[in-house]
Amino acid sequence: GQQLNQSPQSMFIQEGEDVSMNCTSSSIFNTWLWYKQDPGEGPVLLIALYKAGELTSNGRLTAQFGITRKDSFLNISASIPSDVGIYFCAGGYNKLIFGAGTRLAVHP
Amino acid sequence: DSGVTQTPKHLITATGQRVTLRCSPRSGDLSVYWYQQSLDQGLQFLIQYYNGEERAKGNILERFSAQQFPDLHSELNLSSLELGDSALYFCASSVGLAGFSAETQYFGPGTRLLVL
Repeated sequence: GQQLNQSPQSMFIQEGEDVSMNCTSSSIFNTWLWYKQDPGEGPVLLIALYKAGELTSNGRLTAQFGITRKDSFLNISASIPSDVGIYFCAGGYNKLIFGAGTRLAVHP
Repeated sequence: DSGVTQTPKHLITATGQRVTLRCSPRSGDLSVYWYQQSLDQGLQFLIQYYNGEERAKGNILERFSAQQFPDLHSELNLSSLELGDSALYFCASSVGLAGFSAETQYFGPGTRLLVL
């Protein structure tokens, strides 16, 4: 079946630093999504990607759909304290599966 | 605001009891998904309904059941509750287009269940 690996599991960075996280799959996907979850809240959609090679930005966030269709990355530039949370990737072909999440902590 | 609503926000109950969680999808969405998230864990897919019919099943226990009603809202029933069932339960919805596609899902705020 489809498998999704998300890395890193956690990151602890200084405010102002850039952040990069990625997801890789064992098979070709036609959709990649990135969500952020604040503690005790539901995941919120950040960026949706539907085409290989697609590069999309949402403010300080940028995500790309890998050209092999088996990976995606999310970059956060100039991190701020409110970027703290869990970032999930999700992707699939005939169904959506979720990565285990990247826990981001930002030190002021 | 995703447009997906869930009630109640919090639920405290005792072992052995039964509870019902409710979800209303975004206006126009036909698919509803249920997920369980235990403390510091990822999202575990439980079950999906599309336009009233069960479409996909994940790691859902036999003690748990769900349904989607004609007005498209969904309920997740958890029975014979155990301490380990304490978790956040999320509902998500998607448009529900026909065919094979990994649709974008929009999540509700969740129900926090505590079993004592």
